[in-house]
Amino acid sequence: ILNVEQSPQSLHVQEGDSTNFTCSFPSSNFYALHWYRWETAKSPEALFVMTLNGDEKKKGRISATLNTKEGYSYLYIKGSQPEDSATYLCAFTSGTYKYIFGTGTRLKVLA
Amino acid sequence: DAEITQSPRHKITETGRQVTLACHQTWNHNNMFWYRQDLGHGLRLIHYSYGVQDTNKGEVSDGYSVSRSNTEDLPLTLESAASSQTSVYFCASSESWRDEQFFGPGTRLTVL
Repeated sequence: ILNVEQSPQSLHVQEGDSTNFTCSFPSSNFYALHWYRWETAKSPEALFVMTLNGDEKKKGRISATLNTKEGYSYLYIKGSQPEDSATYLCAFTSGTYKYIFGTGTRLKVLA
Repeated sequence: DAEITQSPRHKITETGRQVTLACHQTWNHNNMFWYRQDLGHGLRLIHYSYGVQDTNKGEVSDGYSVSRSNTEDLPLTLESAASSQTSVYFCASSESWRDEQFFGPGTRLTVL
């Protein structure tokens, strides 16, 4: 059974703080790792897709790194703002045609 | 603009009734997926399709069925609705199995 785990499950940070969370996935049969942002009462929207070990992606204050050898990806948010409050999902794609979501990290940024 | 839509957006039904949730995408994507969102479980895959006439079971497929007769639509049927199927249902599509998925707005289903 392929397992994708995210930690922490939830966190609260103050506005202006930087934060990061982790996505752990199987290191074998890796194809791609996706990050999604999911705001309350909306649908998940893709942030990044990463395919190569050592990949780094950046979009504004949000960035992500990938380590396929050890099976983890970090998502960083620099200078968190209240509008960053959302659930951040990662999804692992394997070479065996599997696309598996983690359970997400719920971020709340306090003004 | 291409989009993915779901209908109805809200549905209340009774235990034992058959319910069908519609999903329609204009991306011309081969791959379509149905998920349910439950507290503590995130998104759980119900069924998916990699093309017309292709359907596959996901991790929580019991009590659900899908059919794919064209590229645009993947309706999800609850054969005999149960209270445990009260949830928010999301449909998604992607160009290939490894690409990002585009999600519909969701259908909130309540089974009384």
